[in-house]
Amino acid sequence: QKEVEQNSGPLSVPEGAIASLNCTYSDRGSQSFFWYRQYSGKSPELIMSIYSNGDKEDGRFTAQLNKASQYVSLLIRDSQPSDSATYLCAVNVEDSGYSTLTFGKGTMLLVSP
Amino acid sequence: DVKVTQSSRYLVKRTGEKVFLECVQDMDHENMFWYRQDPGLGLRLIYFSYDVKMKEKGDIPEGYSVSREKKERFSLILESASTNQTSMYLCASNSGRAYNEQFFGPGTRLTVL
Repeated sequence: QKEVEQNSGPLSVPEGAIASLNCTYSDRGSQSFFWYRQYSGKSPELIMSIYSNGDKEDGRFTAQLNKASQYVSLLIRDSQPSDSATYLCAVNVEDSGYSTLTFGKGTMLLVSP
Repeated sequence: DVKVTQSSRYLVKRTGEKVFLECVQDMDHENMFWYRQDPGLGLRLIYFSYDVKMKEKGDIPEGYSVSREKKERFSLILESASTNQTSMYLCASNSGRAYNEQFFGPGTRLTVL
């Protein structure tokens, strides 16, 4: 069973701080990695994708990937109360010729004003 | 923008009823997916389809079936609903090319009484 692990949180940060969310995965063959944001009662929304080692920046978000350590992270700079949500890490898995995503259970982020 | 729609946001059914959940995507995506999401268990893949009339079991297919008669439409069927199928059901799709990012519909909150 391919696994994706995240701390459940909640991770509490003050407004304006950097929030750091972490994820580890078990399948060394995974090539694509995604972060989704999910507000309470809503569906997951894709916010970042990363495919190669290193950092990828998009606005206040930075995704970091280290395939050797099987580790992917999401940094949110200048955190805002509107960033309060659950963040899901997803990793692609190849099985029997099909590609699916395995999701972590999510980390809840709380940003206090 | 990718648009994935689901037939109902909220649905209440009785034990033993046959339940149809429908999902439509407008981006000509090859692949479509059905998940359920439960507190503490995260997103779990029920079934997916990579082509019209094709289907593959996910991690928890028991008690469910699917139908894909047209490329844009993927239906999840609960043959005889049970209380343990009360959940949030999420449909997603992707192009099947390159990087495998999935886009989600708004979800259906199903309650089985």
